[in-house]
Amino acid sequence: SQQGEEDPQALSIQEGENATMNCSYKTSINNLQWYRQNSGRGLVHLILIRSNEREKHSGRLRVTLDTSKKSSSLLITASRAADTASYFCATAANSGYSTLTFGKGTMLLVSP
Amino acid sequence: DAGVTQSPTHLIKTRGQQVTLRCSPKSGHDTVSWYQQALGQGPQFIFQYYEEEERQRGNFPDRFSGHQFPNYSSELNVNALLLGDSALYLCASSWRQGATPNYGYTFGSGTRLTVV
Repeated sequence: SQQGEEDPQALSIQEGENATMNCSYKTSINNLQWYRQNSGRGLVHLILIRSNEREKHSGRLRVTLDTSKKSSSLLITASRAADTASYFCATAANSGYSTLTFGKGTMLLVSP
Repeated sequence: DAGVTQSPTHLIKTRGQQVTLRCSPKSGHDTVSWYQQALGQGPQFIFQYYEEEERQRGNFPDRFSGHQFPNYSSELNVNALLLGDSALYLCASSWRQGATPNYGYTFGSGTRLTVV
């Protein structure tokens, strides 16, 4: 079963614009991770935020986590055509012995 | 440093047949997890292997089985294939079962299985 739900399901923007994707989940977590998937191939880990963190940055990525609302957001600033991909949030219930529960993803299209 | 390697890349099987998919984890990783991703969906956890034993299992029937070898590589076997088993099968490796801080899990490129 899916834990998270990403919103929107699809997002189309121009190069240089910012892209914001949201994720909601249902149960308590140890950490939340965001992954990118190009053309239905392997997943690439983008960023991990722990339950005791509220915000994290990595390059052009900014992730926030609100455990009281069971939600997270991923912001990609100054988008590029190469950012076109599907983005998934995944939650881990425990720090160890943990597996990932994924949402259905957001398809991002960045047009030149 | 090689990442996660999966083989084959694509596979076409007939309903009722059996299939074996293979995964070599990233160097230094000892845990392998398998996920099934149907078209348009997020990956769903099948099972996880650590120290050559199945440690956790998702909501998948017994037709799905696996194995981990002493070199940490793993196989996923699916018996009596159904049309609904058509999906991308992803292997993810990690160290000591949990996500490595700041790096998450390392995924392979997947095996695309088509059942006809």
